Amino acid sequence: GAGVSQSPSNKVTEKGKDVELRCDPISGHTALYWYRQSLGQGLEFLIYFQGNSAPDKSGLPSDRFSAERTGGSVSTLTIQRTQQEDSAVYLCASSPGTVGTQYFGPGTRLLVL
Amino acid sequence: AQTVTQSQPEMSVQEAETVTLSCTYDTSESDYYLFWYKQPPSRQMILVIRQEAYKQQNATENRFSVNFQKAAKSFSLKISDSQLGDAAMYFCAYKPNFGNEKLTFGTGTRLTIIP
Repeated sequence: GAGVSQSPSNKVTEKGKDVELRCDPISGHTALYWYRQSLGQGLEFLIYFQGNSAPDKSGLPSDRFSAERTGGSVSTLTIQRTQQEDSAVYLCASSPGTVGTQYFGPGTRLLVL
Repeated sequence: AQTVTQSQPEMSVQEAETVTLSCTYDTSESDYYLFWYKQPPSRQMILVIRQEAYKQQNATENRFSVNFQKAAKSFSLKISDSQLGDAAMYFCAYKPNFGNEKLTFGTGTRLTIIP
């Protein structure tokens, strides 16, 4: 079946602009996660959605970052007033439940000039 | 807080040989999961193998196997009969079996396969 998909694959933007990154999880997966992979920083957790529960936003680095998940499926990560330090690969993952293995999408590479 | 440590930034192995990647972790929990993910240049994180902490038997997936030492908090990955397609970054990851279900990753090991 179809895996996790993310769009765009690559995004180049100017400092100060807003960007939206999209994630389509595997159909039927109730849990969705966003991670950021930066050079020299490894992989860090950003936010987690589970069903209709309130999201866990504990990993968001600043209030410029927000995410939503509509209809329990597609998720959008929004970064407002982008900064150069936001340049990274943003990875989305989904799992069938809180105990399930997480399956990752191909990521979006964001470059802020 | 949980931490995952991969002490080998880079490893190399001859094709068809065996290589072991190391991973240690720190946690006060007794119920958790451990994973090895592979990330080739395509960026896609691919699950290689998964281990439940309550299981004493080491997980095996074809040429991939783990040596899980719960008391030592060690979780190494052994790749047998290495193939060119195994070249990638390998990440060890930890997930508790309750509460916040995020993965905590190590810093990765870059594996090179020498033809």
